[in-house]
Amino acid sequence: SQQGEEDPQALSIQEGENATMNCSYKTSINNLQWYRQNSGRGLVHLILIRSNEREKHSGRLRVTLDTSKKSSSLLITASRAADTASYFCATGDNFNKFYFGSGTKLNVKP
Amino acid sequence: NAGVTQTPKFQVLKTGQSMTLQCAQDMNHNSMYWYRQDPGMGLRLIYYSASEGTTDKGEVPNGYNVSRLNKREFSLRLESAAPSQTSVYFCASTFGTRSRETQYFGPGTRLLVL
Repeated sequence: SQQGEEDPQALSIQEGENATMNCSYKTSINNLQWYRQNSGRGLVHLILIRSNEREKHSGRLRVTLDTSKKSSSLLITASRAADTASYFCATGDNFNKFYFGSGTKLNVKP
Repeated sequence: NAGVTQTPKFQVLKTGQSMTLQCAQDMNHNSMYWYRQDPGMGLRLIYYSASEGTTDKGEVPNGYNVSRLNKREFSLRLESAAPSQTSVYFCASTFGTRSRETQYFGPGTRLLVL
């Protein structure tokens, strides 16, 4: 399976701290995406990084991609209580399919 | 513009019953997907439709059938429900037909099979 794996499975931090979560995957990819899922809701797209990119920023989000290590990291800076959610990485193959990891559950305490 | 909508929101079935989960998108997207999410796990692809008139199997297609009724609608059918199909089902769509696109998700259907 090409499915990614996030690490850690759960993360609890104080508001204002930075949160870092990692994703590893198994096969070659076209791109890697990060999604957020609030409890009981559908997934919302956060950011996409292509296989030829190494780093990408969007607001308080910073994503890195290391294709030699088959890994990516998502950094959320200055976290807020509203960032409490599960975060998933998804890898896209060279066709139509997406493969999701098992997620990191982030809890930001006020 | 409602995005991706799913019906029903919640359903309880007995083993052996059948049902159809409905999904519709109003964003003129070409590709549509059905996933299942089991507790504490990521999403697993059941079926997808790259364009109107085509459907393909994903990682876990057994026990399911799909119909791409038109460009807007993509339904998922359970012919004979089993307790192992208890899950949350998400429909998603993308504008293009390639996995470099952003996926837009519906709110999910929670299915309990007794």
